[in-house]
Amino acid sequence: AQSVTQLDSQVPVFEEAPVELRCNYSSSVSVYLFWYVQYPNQGLQLLLKYLSGSTLVKGINGFEAEFNKSQTSFHLRKPSVHISDTAEYFCAVSPDGSGNTGKLIFGQGTTLQVKP
Amino acid sequence: SAVISQKPSRDICQRGTSLTIQCQVDSQVTMMFWYRQQPGQSLTLIATANQGSEATYESGFVIDKFPISRPNLTFSTLTVSNMSPEDSSIYLCSVERDPGNTIYFGEGSWLTVV
Repeated sequence: AQSVTQLDSQVPVFEEAPVELRCNYSSSVSVYLFWYVQYPNQGLQLLLKYLSGSTLVKGINGFEAEFNKSQTSFHLRKPSVHISDTAEYFCAVSPDGSGNTGKLIFGQGTTLQVKP
Repeated sequence: SAVISQKPSRDICQRGTSLTIQCQVDSQVTMMFWYRQQPGQSLTLIATANQGSEATYESGFVIDKFPISRPNLTFSTLTVSNMSPEDSSIYLCSVERDPGNTIYFGEGSWLTVV
């Protein structure tokens, strides 16, 4: 079975500061990895994904994440956050990493609170 | 990208009633997925909806409570039956869209059961 652990439930940060949201996963097989963002009262939007290839992936809104297979991590980073980045962030994995990637297992979410 | 429309976007429902949520996609997809997000929690997969066959339910979810239809490759419905306050959640439809096996989500249907 697969599982995803987001190590921080809330991350407060000041505007223009860097931020890292941590995600670790557990799986006995190869996985695809995703980060989604949920703005208040909205649905989920894909930030970025790792399927294969370069372990550093860049997404929308200046976010990037690095896949570390040995540490089974996929931490999300942004060098300088804005107030508009305040949202809930979800890390997710697909169970088998091939074909049926629509079955996602989500972490508990991290609330990013950007303060002025 | 994929355009996924869900109806209703929000509803307040009476205990004991049933509500059907619709999901419409802008192009044909093989599989559609239904997720639930309970208040303050993460997303949990309810079932996978394939056209022409019965939905496949995840552990903890049953067809009698969450019947699903998939009449064609662009549409699916999820019914939440005999609702209780514990069913108050956001219900999200998602699809897998090539290239890159990207998974897109609808805006969600926010249900409150009173």
